[in-house]
Amino acid sequence: GENVEQHPSTLSVQEGDSAVIKCTYSDSASNYFPWYKQELGKGPQLIIDIRSNVGEKKDQRIAVTLNKTAKHFSLHITETQPEDSAVYFCAAGRTISGYSTLTFGKGTMLLVSP
Amino acid sequence: GAGVSQTPSNKVTEKGKYVELRCDPISGHTALYWYRQSLGQGPEFLIYFQGTGAADDSGLPNDRFFAVRPEGSVSTLKIQRTERGDSAVYLCASSLWGAEGYTFGSGTRLTVV
Repeated sequence: GENVEQHPSTLSVQEGDSAVIKCTYSDSASNYFPWYKQELGKGPQLIIDIRSNVGEKKDQRIAVTLNKTAKHFSLHITETQPEDSAVYFCAAGRTISGYSTLTFGKGTMLLVSP
Repeated sequence: GAGVSQTPSNKVTEKGKYVELRCDPISGHTALYWYRQSLGQGPEFLIYFQGTGAADDSGLPNDRFFAVRPEGSVSTLKIQRTERGDSAVYLCASSLWGAEGYTFGSGTRLTVV
């Protein structure tokens, strides 16, 4: 089955700095790579996703890159703000008949200090 | 409703007891997923429904776990003979058919004592 590794497990940055979280996956058949943000006591919230036919996607301060050959994908957050503090999860999945079951990484706790 | 609703938010039960966890998906979402999240871990897939049928139950850990969605909307996850290792947050998510992005609920925190 799929295995997703995520690094680092914790990341502390100053407000305004950039943050990068990296993930690797094992199953070359995976074709869908979402990122979720989870705040304390809440469910994960989808913040951005990328499909295997795209190398990079950007949405305001958030960007995701995918290297299919190396089976790496990364989340980049620029101009971090204290409200970006949360646990971030990467995931990998294969879309079959219109649905995807996801394998998640173990998460990265991002702390943004004012 | 506006989001995915899960009840109860917290459940404490004794080892060996039976529990039911409920999920109300977003209105109109035909796809419904159950995941389990242990402390310090990412969510782990349990089961997927398309409409009323369980299209993929490969993530259910054993036959003590069962889920239903009789009318294609509300789903119930049922756990028999609970064990302390079942303690986790059980997350439900829904999506439109063909949409890969899920909307998760806030989860039910199950504690087996």
